Amino acid sequence: GEQVEQLPSILRVQEGSSASINCSYEDSASNYFPWYKQEPGENPKLIIDIRSNMERKQIQELIVLLDKKAKRFSLHITDTQPGDSAMYFCAGNSNNRIFFGDGTQLVVKP
Amino acid sequence: EAAVTQSPRNKVAVTGGKVTLSCNQTNNHNNMYWYRQDTGHGLRLIHYSYGAGSTEKGDIPDGYKASRPSQENFSLILELATPSQTSVYFCASGPDAGNTLYFGEGSRLIVV
Repeated sequence: GEQVEQLPSILRVQEGSSASINCSYEDSASNYFPWYKQEPGENPKLIIDIRSNMERKQIQELIVLLDKKAKRFSLHITDTQPGDSAMYFCAGNSNNRIFFGDGTQLVVKP
Repeated sequence: EAAVTQSPRNKVAVTGGKVTLSCNQTNNHNNMYWYRQDTGHGLRLIHYSYGAGSTEKGDIPDGYKASRPSQENFSLILELATPSQTSVYFCASGPDAGNTLYFGEGSRLIVV
């Protein structure tokens, strides 16, 4: 099975609203969860990460929540803008590796 | 910021030919990785390395070899390229296992 599952695969939101992407992981020993943003034709870039000693982290309009008991974590983008349109990947570490979700295509409609 | 450079950035190869994708990082990271990205599959790990002289198989190693001759360089080798290997390949480096990855710009390979 997938080490990290990510939903939804496509997310369309209206400009100014919030967007939420959800991920789950298998390994209870995972302790690091990064999020990457990838724009068309470019490489994935780290936008925010959270470690298992935290439940919530915020950088400007990005909020990450971590529920270790449920083995779930999520990215919330508040007040979305057209520039937020991109592919987003969640990831988690396990066995000294980083496993990626399959990605969420976020489309912010003006 | 981590600097990871890949070459070539674009390559057209013939079926059965040999292809070498090169990756160089200047941040003295121990770990380096090769991923391929196809629509609908996200990032899939091909090979990785914990340091000079080491290579490990990832999730989809068949048809690929890797070489880590030095801390800075990590190559992906397709000895007999096939059309199914048409993809975008990303190299990444990280300071240690299971931590932040820094990606190169990607290499677009088309096998005809």
